[in-house]
This record gives sequence, structure tokens and C-alpha cells, in this order.
Amino acid sequence: DAGITQSPRYKITETGRQVTLMCHQTWSHSYMFWYRQDLGHGLRLIYYSAAADITDKGEVPDGYVVSRSKTENFPLTLESATRSQTSVYFCASSESASPMNFGAGTRLSVL
Amino acid sequence: GNSVTQMEGPVTLSEEAFLTINCTYTATGYPSLFWYVQYPGEGLQLLLKATKADDKGSNKGFEATYRKETTSFHLEKGSVQVSDSAVYFCALRAQDNFNKFYFGSGTKLNVKP
Repeated sequence: DAGITQSPRYKITETGRQVTLMCHQTWSHSYMFWYRQDLGHGLRLIYYSAAADITDKGEVPDGYVVSRSKTENFPLTLESATRSQTSVYFCASSESASPMNFGAGTRLSVL
Repeated sequence: GNSVTQMEGPVTLSEEAFLTINCTYTATGYPSLFWYVQYPGEGLQLLLKATKADDKGSNKGFEATYRKETTSFHLEKGSVQVSDSAVYFCALRAQDNFNKFYFGSGTKLNVKP
């Protein structure tokens, strides 16, 4: 199916564990983004990527790692999860002059 | 710098009421402007967009006009339905950096039957 897919949709983990959230898009869009959404903070940009092998930090990158070896995939890794990283995570993609397209989100709980 | 400010919610309306959600922006140059809608448990979906001054975006009965003189992009709908209950986000894409989208904080709309 065309679009942007995030997996898993729900994840429960424990403090200190490494967690990877997956994001896959089928449009071959150049730009991909990771946001977190928290009550009272709206959407906050974690990392973004302009192309394969090009990534850059957003507003709140601490504690997260990204990679982009292929255009279509943009995984987000929490190296050592903390309770403050409990959130809903959204992946998005776009092309230069196009709107941003969002995935359905991953709801992460860190216990 | 670039930023988006939208009215705080929640906004509660009765079915068939008129809706306005205010959005103003600060930007250098000529940004593109967007409204996104988020239904419970889902991601954000593009609702409408406008790419230059005086453009009117419209979709599903919603409209917004890009007003450069007032730096605004207010969302309107003439008659809301219960199914319109959602969170609405105003956003801009900077002209000078296509990487950068700036989102408002979101406005929750509750429509009562």
C-alpha cells in the first residue's frame, strides 16, 4: 500500500532499554521527519533528514538516534529509554514543495 | 524567525454552528500555509493548503484564506458536524528552507449534537 507506515503502533518498554521505532514510506520523498506529541507541548521535531545519509537535529534530539541508509526508511532509536520519553511519535515525509504526510503514530510507554 | 500562533481550545460548538479557528503567523518571505486535522488516535491529515497571498484553500466545507496583510490563515466552516470533532493544527512551510515546517499548538474542537 502506498503511504507512510509506522511500526509498532503501540509499545511498552522499561527504563533503560533500547527501543527502535520504524518508519517506511513508499513515495520516495526526499525529506523525512520524526516528531513527538505531548499534551501541552504540541508537536516537537526530534530529527529530520533531507536525503539518504543526511540527517539533522530538531528541537529535542537528546536521547534519540536516527539513521537513513535507504530513502524509504527512517528508524528512530531510543538508546536508553527514560520515562520522559513516553509519548506519541509521528513520522512524516514530504517533497520540496509539497505538504507533509504523516504516519498513524506509535504510542510509546516507558515504565 | 518563523512561528505560528493559533487560538487555544477547546472550542465547543453545537452542530450546524459556524466555526472560526484563528491562526496568525510570523515568517520571512512567502511561506506556504496549511491546516491539518487530527482525529482521535490517528496521525495528522492535510485538510487544506495555500501557497501564495490571497489564495483560498478549501476542502470538506472548510476554508482558509492566505492574508499576507494581516499574516493570518483563519480556518472557517459554515456548519459543523459532530464528525468534525478533532484537533486542528495550523502550519507553515518556510520559503527559505523546505526542511522546516512550523506548527501551531493545535485547537481541539468539540461539536455537540
